[in-house]
Amino acid sequence: GAGVSQSPRYKVAKRGQDVALRCDPISGHVSLFWYQQALGQGPEFLTYFQNEAQLDKSGLPSDRFFAERPEGSVSTLKIQRTQQEDSAVYLCASSVRLAGSLRSYNEQFFGPGTRLTVL
Amino acid sequence: SQQGEEDPQALSIQEGENATMNCSYKTSINNLQWYRQNSGRGLVHLILIRSNEREKHSGRLRVTLDTSKKSSSLLITASRAADTASYFCATDRPGAQKLVFGQGTRLTINP
Repeated sequence: GAGVSQSPRYKVAKRGQDVALRCDPISGHVSLFWYQQALGQGPEFLTYFQNEAQLDKSGLPSDRFFAERPEGSVSTLKIQRTQQEDSAVYLCASSVRLAGSLRSYNEQFFGPGTRLTVL
Repeated sequence: SQQGEEDPQALSIQEGENATMNCSYKTSINNLQWYRQNSGRGLVHLILIRSNEREKHSGRLRVTLDTSKKSSSLLITASRAADTASYFCATDRPGAQKLVFGQGTRLTINP
């Protein structure tokens, strides 16, 4: 079956340009996550959706970052007026887990990521 | 900021040897997971251990969890060249969905 897919795989942007990164989660997965991974570091949480509701956006570094999942499936992470410090790999993950569920599992399946380079 | 710390940061061993990586974390957790990441690729889920479990096996992988010490270890037995990758531990806390990752251990298996 298809896993999590992300597009584009690579994006080069000039400083100040807006970018949009797309994530297609595994079909039927309720939860969707975005993470940012700097070179040589572990991923860091950005934001989380349950269906179309954005339940946690505490990791978004600034108001230039915006994420949406309007129909509870595909999600887009938008970065406005990109800066050099935004250069990183942006990872999307999906999970079957529901917030508040008695089930404690939280296995997240990751996409290949989008490598963003801001010049 | 990241909660977990992996130890060592880098590990290089000969093919066939066992590799052990450790992870420490700071707060109470629901689950602890280990992921593998090959260079330039996404994260692959390896194994999940719940906070009420102490040990888990999956193929050549063995994970232990000591909640009193807030630490976990990942053992890869009979290592292969294909095991060369970065390994991350990730935790999630009660009531929270997000994963908090460590810095990772870069494992190199020499043929």
